Amino acid sequence: EIVLTQSPGTLSLSPGERATLSCRASQSVSSNYLAWYQQKPGQAPRLLIYGASSRATGIPDRFSGSGSGTDFSLTISSLEPEDFAVYYCQQYGYSPFTFGQGTKLEIK
Amino acid sequence: EVQLVESGGGLVKPGGSLRLSCAASGFTFSSYSMNWVRQAPGKGLEWVSSISSSSSYIYYADSVKGRFTISRDNAKNSLYLQMNSLRAEDTAVYYCARASGTPLGDFDYWGQGTLVTVSS
Repeated sequence: EIVLTQSPGTLSLSPGERATLSCRASQSVSSNYLAWYQQKPGQAPRLLIYGASSRATGIPDRFSGSGSGTDFSLTISSLEPEDFAVYYCQQYGYSPFTFGQGTKLEIK
Repeated sequence: EVQLVESGGGLVKPGGSLRLSCAASGFTFSSYSMNWVRQAPGKGLEWVSSISSSSSYIYYADSVKGRFTISRDNAKNSLYLQMNSLRAEDTAVYYCARASGTPLGDFDYWGQGTLVTVSS
């Protein structure tokens, strides 16, 4: 099983600042099958990034993904008020299709 | 517009059974793998099970293997999760999610979830 470890657990920033979230895998992720999701309270998760670096349909370009192998990151270039949420990474290359434990992005 | 609507959640006693359904619309259901993901109250996301477009590939998390069964009916555009021998730790919101490809893919569309509570 591929274990995904996200850091930090909580990130406190202000609107307009840059956010960098990390996701580290216990073994190499096949074909960069790594996705990022955003979840707001009471809502279903929303796909942001797939294939480690491709933005999903309708996702603003302030969101970007990078990385390969075992180290991945999600960057939000300039935080908007609606970006404060919980973010999860997921690998979908090998079953079980594991999620990281999440990073909570909160307003400072 | 892609829509996924879960149903079938509710309160069940430990050891009991429940069948969840997910009604899909707005896309060619038979061309996509489908998934169940759950989220215990206040916790993170946990992948539960996946089924490929023609049901040729089926995967389960170890935590539910032998107790849960995923299935689909492409003629009815529906996904199912039969849950038996339920435990308190199965209490969660259960989401169905479409995979962007088959048999593998990111989860590009999600339903709003259905709550399953296992309690005596």
